[in-house]
Amino acid sequence: EPEVTQTPSHQVTQMGQEVILRCVPISNHLYFYWYRQILGQKVEFLVSFYNNEISEKSEIFDDQFSVERPDGSNFTLKIRSTKLEDSAMYFCASARQAIEAFFGQGTRLTVV
Amino acid sequence: GIQVEQSPPDLILQEGANSTLRCNFSDSVNNLQWFHQNPWGQLINLFYIPSGTKQNGRLSATTVATERYSLLYISSSQTTDSGVYFCAVDRENGNKLVFGAGTILRVKS
Repeated sequence: EPEVTQTPSHQVTQMGQEVILRCVPISNHLYFYWYRQILGQKVEFLVSFYNNEISEKSEIFDDQFSVERPDGSNFTLKIRSTKLEDSAMYFCASARQAIEAFFGQGTRLTVV
Repeated sequence: GIQVEQSPPDLILQEGANSTLRCNFSDSVNNLQWFHQNPWGQLINLFYIPSGTKQNGRLSATTVATERYSLLYISSSQTTDSGVYFCAVDRENGNKLVFGAGTILRVKS
């Protein structure tokens, strides 16, 4: 069964460093998303991406964040200068249509 | 924005027992999904169910859209069912899902 894959599974970075989280969505999907879950809290929407542009973003998704689909298969989330409060599980998701999103296994980001 | 409330917040079951988890939402939705977050943190799709009833093995779900709630039934629970169950909704067809706080389920052997 096709699945969304994310790398790395765990990333530790120093405060102020840039990180790139990578995702390979399901191959025939057209809609791509990033969500995050701070430990013990709800899963929160960050951004949606369709037709090579951001279609919607939340208040969390400020200028420190960016997304890119550099080729036909990858979808990345970049955090330019990480802060302690960016520590969270980051989930990539994809959907064939703008319904029923499928989630990857997550990348646990720890900022120290 | 839309509010999603899940109940109960915690549930402890003996293996083999049945359970019902509830999700209430404050506005009409076009998308409703149930997820299981396992102990490793993975979010596993259980159901896409904006309305109606679906079954998948020991799990089934029912959404009554007009009354703004959804139920997830787990029958003959197993220890591997342990984890957090999330309901998530979207008002429009955009997959900007709003998640509930989840129900923490622990199944004891």
